[in-house]
Amino acid sequence: SQQGEEDPQALSIQEGENATMNCSYKTSINNLQWYRQNSGRGLVHLILIRSNEREKHSGRLRVTLDTSKKSSSLLITASRAADTASYFCATDRETSYDKVIFGPGTSLSVIP
Amino acid sequence: DADVTQTPRNRITKTGKRIMLECSQTKGHDRMYWYRQDPGLGLRLIYYSFDVKDINKGEISDGYSVSRQAQAKFSLSLESAIPNQTALYFCATRGQGSPGELFFGEGSRLTVL
Repeated sequence: SQQGEEDPQALSIQEGENATMNCSYKTSINNLQWYRQNSGRGLVHLILIRSNEREKHSGRLRVTLDTSKKSSSLLITASRAADTASYFCATDRETSYDKVIFGPGTSLSVIP
Repeated sequence: DADVTQTPRNRITKTGKRIMLECSQTKGHDRMYWYRQDPGLGLRLIYYSFDVKDINKGEISDGYSVSRQAQAKFSLSLESAIPNQTALYFCATRGQGSPGELFFGEGSRLTVL
């Protein structure tokens, strides 16, 4: 069974708008990471948030983590056409660190 | 040159054939991973390895085997390929020390006819 589940599965927005993607997971985690994948390419790491952190920023990215709800969100502000990609959350579980499990991802389309 | 290199990048084979996908890395990382990606299912972990003597099953290990020939090389084998193993396969690495990001190769697209 998958540890993470992203919501929505697909998102289409206009350039300049903000994009929010959510991730839920089932078991206690050590940290949660977000990755980006351009069509058919390898994944690229975006940001990592530890279980004792609630919010983290990196450029136009903002990640929040709510361990009580076992959920995280990724906000991309002022989106650009180049942000069009699939976004995945991934978790390291507390009980099996380094067994990094990915969710099914959110496909984001940013329309110019 | 890429830090994580996968070969072959594309392979078409027939049911019942043995296939090996290879991964090599120049990052000096001890942890290496194999994932498969299917549309709508994200990435699923097949095997992961901490070093040449420490190999662990992931979420979907049945039908696959791996070999960690050296710290820098991690191979995935399909002993007898079947059509539902058609997928995009990714190798990834991770350095020791917590926590750390995974570094991915560009993927190996396998089609089993």
